[in-house]
Amino acid sequence: DAGVIQSPRHEVTEMGQEVTLRCKPISGHDYLFWYRQTMMRGLELLIYFNNNVPIDDSGMPEDRFSAKMPNASFSTLKIQPSEPRDSAVYFCASSFFSAGGTDTQYFGPGTRLTVL
Amino acid sequence: QKEVEQNSGPLSVPEGAIASLNCTYSDRVSQSFFWYRQYSGKSPELIMSIYSNGDKEDGRFTAQLNKASQYVSLLIRDSQPSDSATYLCAVEFFTSGTYKYIFGTGTRLKVLA
Repeated sequence: DAGVIQSPRHEVTEMGQEVTLRCKPISGHDYLFWYRQTMMRGLELLIYFNNNVPIDDSGMPEDRFSAKMPNASFSTLKIQPSEPRDSAVYFCASSFFSAGGTDTQYFGPGTRLTVL
Repeated sequence: QKEVEQNSGPLSVPEGAIASLNCTYSDRVSQSFFWYRQYSGKSPELIMSIYSNGDKEDGRFTAQLNKASQYVSLLIRDSQPSDSATYLCAVEFFTSGTYKYIFGTGTRLKVLA
């Protein structure tokens, strides 16, 4: 398996522009997570999906952020309009459900977003 | 109070020594506990998971969980320079009908050759 795939790996944009990050989870995994990592705040969970349905979006910072999962093999995280404080590394992770919970999460390589 | 707390470090240990990493968590309905390793510029990868009180060993790594005291630790025996990384503690809570997965900010470990 190729693992979790994210694109683009790097994104530089100007304030006010729309940014779309993409993720392909590992085949067979029924959970998908979006995280943001910064030096100041560490790794923060933004939203997660189970079987393509958003379960908990309490970590989404504000209405400028939105996430979708139209099918089991694809998810997007959109920021519109983007702001310099959105600059961070965004990770997508996937896992499958086990008796103890969501079990091991497998992370993608991340997208480094810079908003000028 | 943060839900998952770790000392940011850096924790410096000589090669061959035991590195001890600690994590405390708030009093919630905690289900599962995880240690991830993250090399600089890379994504987190799972090292150990532990679900019940006590010790769990995997090679040079031992995870220890004490739910009464609300802490989980990771011991790395015979530390190697390649172990130098940031170690993230993650706790999975079940609350209000959903799972919440919360990471600590990580402890940076430096193993000195």
